[in-house]
Order: sequence, then C-alpha cells, then structure tokens
Amino acid sequence: QVQLVESGGGVVQPGRSLRLSCVSSGFTFSSYGMHWVRQAPGKGLEWVAVIWYDGSNENYVDSVKGRFTISRDNSKNALYLQMNSLRAEDTAVYYCARDVAPAAIGSFEYWGQGTPVTVSS
Amino acid sequence: EIVLTQSPATLSVSPGERGTLSCRASQSVSSNLAWYQQKPGQAPRLLIYGASTRATGIPARFSGSGSGTEFTLTISSLQSEDSAIYYCQQYVNWPPLTFGGGTKVEIK
Repeated sequence: QVQLVESGGGVVQPGRSLRLSCVSSGFTFSSYGMHWVRQAPGKGLEWVAVIWYDGSNENYVDSVKGRFTISRDNSKNALYLQMNSLRAEDTAVYYCARDVAPAAIGSFEYWGQGTPVTVSS
Repeated sequence: EIVLTQSPATLSVSPGERGTLSCRASQSVSSNLAWYQQKPGQAPRLLIYGASTRATGIPARFSGSGSGTEFTLTISSLQSEDSAIYYCQQYVNWPPLTFGGGTKVEIK
C-alpha cells in the first residue's frame, strides 16, 4: 500500500534552517508530482510547494518563495523541503502529499502523517 | 489567486440526516475541485476529485456536484464517524493551489 513518511521537523529559532524529508513506498514515485502542504495550529490547510514527477519544474506559494526549496531524489523515493530563514509564521504541521494521477498536478490522493515545525526563540 | 469560500462554517446534524456543504470559487474552476475530510490529529483524506468522482475506498454516501463557481458536497446519511472538518480545493489556476476555509460537521 502507498505510504508517505515525513521526518525532520522540530523546534528552531527564527532565521535558522530546517530540512524536511518524506520517504515513499508502494507506488512508482518517479511517476507522480509531489507536494508539501502545511497547517498552522488550529488553522486550515495551505499548499506550500510542488515538484514535477521528473523534477523538471517546481512552484511555491508566494510566502515561501526565495526561502524554501523543494527537491526530490527519485532513486531514493524521497521528497525534501529545505526551509531557510524561518519565521514564526512558518510554524505548522508539514505534510507531504502525492497527486491523484501520474504526471499531473491536481488533488492530493495520499498524505503522510505530518511532521511538526515550531519556529520560536 | 482563486479564493474558495465554504459555508456554513459549522453544520450540526443528527445521525441519519443529510448534510450539504457548499464551496464557492471567486472565478470559474471548471470541474477542477476536490473535497477532503480531516479528523482531529489526522492527515486530510481525499473524498472527491474532479468535482464529482469519489476517491478510492470512499463510501457512496459521499457525493460531489457542481461546476464553474458553485460546488456541493453531500453526505446522504450522516454517521457519527463523519464528524470532521471538510475542505474544498481548486487545481485549475495555480500556483497557488488553494483551499477553502473549511466546514466543521458536528453530529448531534
């Protein structure tokens, strides 16, 4: 069955960096677009970033452009989110998620369990 | 950016009743709309995509309808396990992919 397992979250001071990882299994990772979606405490869902199935393209929500970088290693079935210059407003649970269809960007069929990130001094 | 507005904010219904949740888009998204269910402490679960296609393993009591700017998620006969927050999401005009603010469904 499809599994997505995130790791790398934690408590970090403002301005510092953190790298999240998401390891997948149960499907052909290299065929699917992959996303990061976050949820601040008590708030709704916010899409953060997407990377194409082959890593050829990536997009970000404006609030993280220039600070966050999404990447993937298809040989390791792994997705990453490098988060630099972290701010208090980046505090959230971060989920990795897989697109419904191969080579398409749309809705999120599978989600990881989430990894919490707290930015605080 | 396409803004999705969900209503009502909270829906309180008795078991066995029908629940109707709405999602309105600030501009047309055609049928590029999905619905998710999220229970406390859990990741969201995809219910509907393409406005009306049920995701794998989703019970038939969940149905989606609409196109353009007006969408509805209907839960035909609410059960206690349907207590959750429901979000809509558009994927026609991005970045960014956007979500609605959510509707909380409470079972009386």
